Amino acid sequence: NAGVTQTPKFRVLKTGQSMTLLCAQDMNHEYMYWYRQDPGMGLRLIHYSVGEGTTAKGEVPDGYNVSRLKKQNFLLGLESAAPSQTSVYFCASSYGRRGTQYFGPGTRLLVL
Amino acid sequence: QQQVKQSPQSLIVQKGGISIINCAYENTAFDYFPWYQQFPGKGPALLIAIRPDVSEKKEGRFTISFNKSAKQFSLHIMDSQPGDSATYFCAASRDTGNQFYFGTGTSLTVIP
Repeated sequence: NAGVTQTPKFRVLKTGQSMTLLCAQDMNHEYMYWYRQDPGMGLRLIHYSVGEGTTAKGEVPDGYNVSRLKKQNFLLGLESAAPSQTSVYFCASSYGRRGTQYFGPGTRLLVL
Repeated sequence: QQQVKQSPQSLIVQKGGISIINCAYENTAFDYFPWYQQFPGKGPALLIAIRPDVSEKKEGRFTISFNKSAKQFSLHIMDSQPGDSATYFCAASRDTGNQFYFGTGTSLTVIP
């Protein structure tokens, strides 16, 4: 099993460009999450999903959109990237609401 | 507003020593407290977790101590090894919630 995979691993964007980060899990988990990790800020939840076709906002949702069309995939979109969105993005999944979260390897995004 | 406050930000310990990382919270509805370990370039991984019905949980060299009245919990790493060098995050969640709130992380360096 691959666990949780993220695509791409690294990306450089110019301000105003758009992109989509892909997260895939092969553990049949219901719950999926997108976090951003910034120095001194820890992990902050952007959006999450409790099942196929559902999404909900986390702590820092502004400037991001998500979709969960298939159970195994969770997409994070940036419609108009800003330098403040420079960060490392982690996807995670869990079997249940309080289950262990399994994290992907991360996507490093630089917005110039 | 940080839901979970973690200290210290960084920690240097000699091999064989005890590493102690502390976390505090305000929301008395939190009832599940996991610790995650993250190596450079990797996603976080669950290390150990505790619920407030016990004051201590031990797994190998790792121990969580929980003080419900003080709303504090801490991670103790006994006989610290260079391989323990990583960033550690505490987290908390509510029984009725869908998300975890993470601390800001502690960078641990164990020197030989």
